[in-house]
Amino acid sequence: GAVVSQHPSRVICKSGTSVKIECRSLDFQATTMFWYRQFPKKSLMLMATSNEGSKATYEQGVEKDKFLINHASLTLSTLTVTSAHPEDSSFYICSARELIDLTSGETQYFGPGTRLLVL
Amino acid sequence: QKEVEQDPGPLSVPEGAIVSLNCTYSNSAFQYFMWYRQYSRKGPELLMYTYSSGNKEDGRFTAQVDKSSKYISLFIRDSQPSDSATYLCAMRGNQFYFGTGTSLTVIP
Repeated sequence: GAVVSQHPSRVICKSGTSVKIECRSLDFQATTMFWYRQFPKKSLMLMATSNEGSKATYEQGVEKDKFLINHASLTLSTLTVTSAHPEDSSFYICSARELIDLTSGETQYFGPGTRLLVL
Repeated sequence: QKEVEQDPGPLSVPEGAIVSLNCTYSNSAFQYFMWYRQYSRKGPELLMYTYSSGNKEDGRFTAQVDKSSKYISLFIRDSQPSDSATYLCAMRGNQFYFGTGTSLTVIP
């Protein structure tokens, strides 16, 4: 299957600083990528949909000025958590959408996730 | 009513058992159905994807979709301790919807 990478895998930062997380599709082009947040023992919470060459679409309740998304190329999307606070500590996962075939349609391939801890 | 319902478990089975994981959904427009496996502290990994109704088999895994009942299942035969993970169902209409995940532990 397709491979999606995320960097860094883990980051610890001080409150008030900004953190950038990269999501790359390694062997396919992804016009659409998704950013999720996952709390312990909880399901994925979609934060935003990142579209190459255009503005991201944010889910209700997600602050777009706090979670900046850039999708500058068909293989790279970045999420920047600005002025991070301890409540932003979480597991952030990106995914990329790929067309499987005409029968199965599209599916999402997930990155390995980034664990953010804000002190 | 949630778009996708999935029993969170936890589910514990002995090694070698047959495991049945299930999800129900409410939107009859869903056409694409997926199962993901997520190990602790890792991103979800696509296991199976199915279009419309029917069965799909891949090794020890069988995915089943019953659109008339709005019910999907994932069966794991001869379960192994390495199958211990959280299993997420997902489906797609205009957008993707995920279940909350079922935590599975296979005991050696």
